[in-house]
Order: sequence, then structure tokens, then C-alpha cells
Amino acid sequence: EVQLLESGGGLVQPGGSLRLSCAASGFTFSDYAMTWVRQPPGKGLEWVSAINAGGGSTFYASSVRGRFTISRDSSENTLYLQMNNLRAEDTALYYCARDSIPAPYYFDYWGQGTLVTVSS
Amino acid sequence: DIQMTQSPSTLSASVGDRVTITCRASQSISSWLAWYQKKPGKAPKLLIYKAASLGSGVPSRFSGSGSGTEFTLTISSLQPDDFATYYCQQYDTYPFTFGPGTKVDIK
Repeated sequence: EVQLLESGGGLVQPGGSLRLSCAASGFTFSDYAMTWVRQPPGKGLEWVSAINAGGGSTFYASSVRGRFTISRDSSENTLYLQMNNLRAEDTALYYCARDSIPAPYYFDYWGQGTLVTVSS
Repeated sequence: DIQMTQSPSTLSASVGDRVTITCRASQSISSWLAWYQKKPGKAPKLLIYKAASLGSGVPSRFSGSGSGTEFTLTISSLQPDDFATYYCQQYDTYPFTFGPGTKVDIK
């Protein structure tokens, strides 16, 4: 059974940093691209960042480029999102999702999310 | 970035109704479009990919159509479990983008 378990969310001050993790199990992690999607409170889904299966190609939304870094560790079956210079508008529930192929695509499995709150 | 729009933003319907949601892209995305169902407190669920292909385990009352810039999601006979918010997502061009969502609630 495919499982994705996010962690690392919490309360952080504006300008601060957090690193989110997504532990994957039930599939060959190195065969699939992975993506972070977020949902601010009361708002819709926003695609944030993606990484291909090999980890050599990364992609970002305009709103986070230069502040967020996506990475993966296939030895640990874990996806990461390093978030720096956080802003109030980054407050959201952050989901990791499995792309259905080795390149960023549509998402066939999702985690339950980890909440990030940026506030002073 | 490719902008995705959805209409209507909210839809009130009854069990058994046929429901259609429209998604439009600001430029052609061929058939690289997916639809997801989102319920409060739950992770999104894939319904449709490549505009018209049914996701694994998704009931056949859900169907998708369209190509280029205009797409539709149809629920042939609305069931109680279908009251949710529906999002389209393009995966043609980076950054991938979602539509703003269509909430289907009970009339």
C-alpha cells in the first residue's frame, strides 16, 4: 500500500525557515517524480514544487522560486522541502504527492498534509 | 504561467442530478489535464487524467472530456459521497497550475 507521511510543519515567524519531510513507503520511491502542493486556509490548491525521479530536475512555482528548495533522498525514501524567508502568505497545509511517472505529471497518491503557520 | 479558470465556482445540486463543471486554460494544454476531488480534512483524490481517462477505482459516473483550452467534468448521477470541491490541474507546462475549484453542495 502506497503511503506518504508528511512532517516538519509548525509555527514560524516571518523570515524564518522550516524543512518539511515526506516519508514514502509501499512503492519504489526512485521510480517516481514527487511534488509538493499546498492549500492555504479557506483557499484552493496551489502547485508548489516538483522533482523528477532521479532528483536532477527541479521545478518551482513563481511564488516560491528562490526561497524554497525541493530535494529527495532515495536511500531514505524521503522527499524534502526546505523553506526559507517564509512569509505570511506561505501559511498553508502542505501535501506531498506522488506523480504517476518518473517526470512531473498528475498525482495518483497524496499524503494527509502538514500545517505550516507563518506568524509573529 | 498558464491560468486555469473553472465555472461555476459553486454549484447546488440534488442527489441524482447530472452535474457538469467546466475548466478553461489560458493557452492550449492539449489533453494534459487532471481532475481531483477534495473533501474537508481529506487528501485530494484523483478522478480523471489526460482529460478523459478514469482514475483507478473511480466510479464510472465520473467522466471527463475536452482538449486544447476547454474541458468538462461530468457526474452522471450525483451521489451523497460526491458533495465536495473539484479542481482541475494542467500538467502541460511548468509551473503546473490548478483551477480555483468548484464546490458542489446540496440544494
